[in-house]
Amino acid sequence: DTEVTQTPKHLVMGMTNKKSLKCEQHMGHRAMYWYKQKAKKPPELMFVYSYEKLSINESVPSRFSPECPNSSLLNLHLHALQPEDSALYLCASSQGDRVSYEQYFGPGTRLTVT
Amino acid sequence: AQSVTQLDSHVSVSEGTPVLLRCNYSSSYSPSLFWYVQHPNKGLQLLLKYTSAATLVKGINGFEAEFKKSETSFHLTKPSAHMSDAAEYFCVVRGKWGQNFVFGPGTRLSVLP
Repeated sequence: DTEVTQTPKHLVMGMTNKKSLKCEQHMGHRAMYWYKQKAKKPPELMFVYSYEKLSINESVPSRFSPECPNSSLLNLHLHALQPEDSALYLCASSQGDRVSYEQYFGPGTRLTVT
Repeated sequence: AQSVTQLDSHVSVSEGTPVLLRCNYSSSYSPSLFWYVQHPNKGLQLLLKYTSAATLVKGINGFEAEFKKSETSFHLTKPSAHMSDAAEYFCVVRGKWGQNFVFGPGTRLSVLP
């Protein structure tokens, strides 16, 4: 099974709401990633978890808060977002940090902030 | 430092004709290189990868790519385009342990009937 699942598929939230995005993989991968993708642009890395520890935070605003409860799950908690945060949020996983390891991507959550 | 250039932002081909999507990279280390495809409103799917083994890499759906170190290129080809190949294609480089993926800007492939 080479699947990464993400829920929900679509999310509309107001600027004062709190919501969470969820990502799950059952491939035994030890690295998990959050990306943000705007229309007609490549994905931008937000966070990396390696062996359930946050290893990279690409200067993401604190209104985005990642969490890795276990090696299969990755959450992204959202609070007080801005309209410019509307985007496709992609989760990915890989076996680990080795150069040769590819990333497997989920289908994404389409987020709209009103 | 690493970077990826995809020379064409948009490529248009007729169904049944060959596809060529160009990618050049810069890396201080022996890189791993990947091609991903993204259909509209979908996630990214791995087409193929190069990791210092054979320089001609075969992927899914009839795609191939050749790693040319002297030209720092990793161009993606397919002998005969299909309508379902219309999508966005990303070339990605990873050059050092722990360094993350560096994406190219993407090439949008259109396939005309």
